[in-house]
Amino acid sequence: AQRVTQPEKLLSVFKGAPVELKCNYSYSGSPELFWYVQYSRQRLQLLLRHISRESIKGFTADLNKGETSFHLKKPFAQEEDSAMYYCALIEGGSEKLVFGKGTKLTVNP
Amino acid sequence: GAGVSQTPSNKVTEKGKYVELRCDPISGHTALYWYRQSLGQGPEFLIYFQGTGAADDSGLPNDRFFAVRPEGSVSTLKIQRTERGDSAVYLCASSPGGSKTQYFGPGTRLLVL
Repeated sequence: AQRVTQPEKLLSVFKGAPVELKCNYSYSGSPELFWYVQYSRQRLQLLLRHISRESIKGFTADLNKGETSFHLKKPFAQEEDSAMYYCALIEGGSEKLVFGKGTKLTVNP
Repeated sequence: GAGVSQTPSNKVTEKGKYVELRCDPISGHTALYWYRQSLGQGPEFLIYFQGTGAADDSGLPNDRFFAVRPEGSVSTLKIQRTERGDSAVYLCASSPGGSKTQYFGPGTRLLVL
């Protein structure tokens, strides 16, 4: 069963518009949630993790345990945000990342 | 500093052949992970090493897949009797002890003809 769901395979917005990439998870315990990003021709890299509660490159993500969601948001998208975004979790007691299928974000000029 | 490196970057082989994929983790990172990413999918976990030992190999799909990390640094993923379905990008990641943040390599793109 899919434990991390990213419902949008593709997402296209215009520069300056708000963007939200959705992520839902199924896990009864307390997972650690992550967003990873892969820019064109670059390696997969960590964007942010929920426990750090940081804002990286203007992106934020809030863990909503009631809705089991960890949506990624940015108020004003930039063209350089165009990339593949993966939501992932680590279950309690585990070390392995479980990834969603990813959302390809395109920010148009 | 140097990130995780993987060699080769691309590997083309024929069905039934044996392949080895190499991963050099970030120096000092005690944990090392292998993932496999098929087209249109997110990375899927294969195996995790803590030091020299495989702490979790639950993601290895069958006994054709094997990985080693004999000195607690470089790791090799070995695939015997390759099948066309093994074609994918194989990703390696490492992390320092006590951290959940994984640093990924560029991947090896394996194509089995």
